[in-house]
Amino acid sequence: DVKVTQSSRYLVKRTGEKVFLECVQDMDHENMFWYRQDPGLGLRLIYFSYDVKMKEKGDIPEGYSVSREKKERFSLILESASTNQTSMYLCASSPAGTGRINEQFFGPGTRLTVL
Amino acid sequence: AQTVTQSQPEMSVQEAETVTLSCTYDTSESNYYLFWYKQPPSRQMILVIRQEAYKQQNATENRFSVNFQKAAKSFSLKISDSQLGDTAMYFCAYLLIQEAQKLVFGQGTRLTINP
Repeated sequence: DVKVTQSSRYLVKRTGEKVFLECVQDMDHENMFWYRQDPGLGLRLIYFSYDVKMKEKGDIPEGYSVSREKKERFSLILESASTNQTSMYLCASSPAGTGRINEQFFGPGTRLTVL
Repeated sequence: AQTVTQSQPEMSVQEAETVTLSCTYDTSESNYYLFWYKQPPSRQMILVIRQEAYKQQNATENRFSVNFQKAAKSFSLKISDSQLGDTAMYFCAYLLIQEAQKLVFGQGTRLTINP
């Protein structure tokens, strides 16, 4: 089974703190993604990466950055957390396409509260 | 920009009934995929079913089937013989082939199956 794990299920931070959310996948997938999930808005893509050290902005990258130094690990960084970044954060991974669109596999999510 | 709309924030049915979840999307493209994802309470998001836009035949997966109306830009999910384990948030998602892995999600429908 594909396994995508995230470092914390729940996290509470203070405004202005630097926050790291970690995601690890064990299936050698090339693609990795960070989404945030908010009620009534569904999931929105923050950043994705299709290879080590490669990254692309999603729909809502403002206030976030990412790092992918190893293939299996994709980190989301909030340089200075703000209350409007309180949300559920989901990581996902998928294999590179070989003529077809591949399923994304999701982690359990990290519920971040910024006070 | 592509958008996905799920007009039913919540639904509730009795066990063994059939339920249909609605999804509409807006795009001017012709080559895309559509997905239904399921997020059970406190569990990871999983893929339920996918549909390639170029295929006229509706996708089915056991008790799950879709009604894909390309001209109407509608993609509804039908769950037959519903079970308690079907209780979850359901998300409709769109993916444009030219934009590789960038899924666009709807707002979600919270489905409750009652015993």
